[in-house]
Amino acid sequence: GAGVSQSPRYKVAKRGQDVALRCDPISGHVSLFWYQQALGQGPEFLTYFQNEAQLDKSGLPSDRFFAERPEGSVSTLKIQRTQQEDSAVYLCASSLTPQGNNQPQHFGDGTRLSIL
Amino acid sequence: AQSVTQLGSHVSVSEGALVLLRCNYSSSVPPYLFWYVQYPNQGLQLLLKYTTGATLVKGINGFEAEFKKSETSFHLTKPSAHMSDAAEYFCAVSKGAQKLVFGQGTRLTINP
Repeated sequence: GAGVSQSPRYKVAKRGQDVALRCDPISGHVSLFWYQQALGQGPEFLTYFQNEAQLDKSGLPSDRFFAERPEGSVSTLKIQRTQQEDSAVYLCASSLTPQGNNQPQHFGDGTRLSIL
Repeated sequence: AQSVTQLGSHVSVSEGALVLLRCNYSSSVPPYLFWYVQYPNQGLQLLLKYTTGATLVKGINGFEAEFKKSETSFHLTKPSAHMSDAAEYFCAVSKGAQKLVFGQGTRLTINP
């Protein structure tokens, strides 16, 4: 497709379960970002990949959160032993090149995660 | 550390009226500034960005914003509101690290 694709769009899990959220960036985009958006808040940065390298994971809230991008394209955000505070919309964004901030980030529609 | 403050979590204007959404940033060096729009159950769409050069930036859908370094502001305006402008608007800043730091958002309501 032409845009950033995220799946599933909605995910409901019981507290304590593990979940995996998928992001397909725009083809050829080098940079990939994950953000967490709590209800009524602005998105907050989680982690950043340049190709397959995870260059910044300073926003991951705990060691229960893990992200990977093994082949430099599709990325997966995994949350282990989910807690109710993990309920949020998880947004993925990609941009064309890693150099400079002139390249805009293109966002997917997000995955809405609800932890019961 | 960078931060963004959006003044007013809710703004309501009449159709055809001026839209003004306020954004102030905190940054130790000149930042890159962005406005994004988010419609319900959708991701964020870039409206406009300021990187360098002209301080008045024109974006999509008739929106524009002016970078004022002396006021550390990047307010978003549109001369005449349309019903389709109703959405959540986010101001964001980045500085070298590429990650975006977002404000809390402003919900824009358009009254017929």
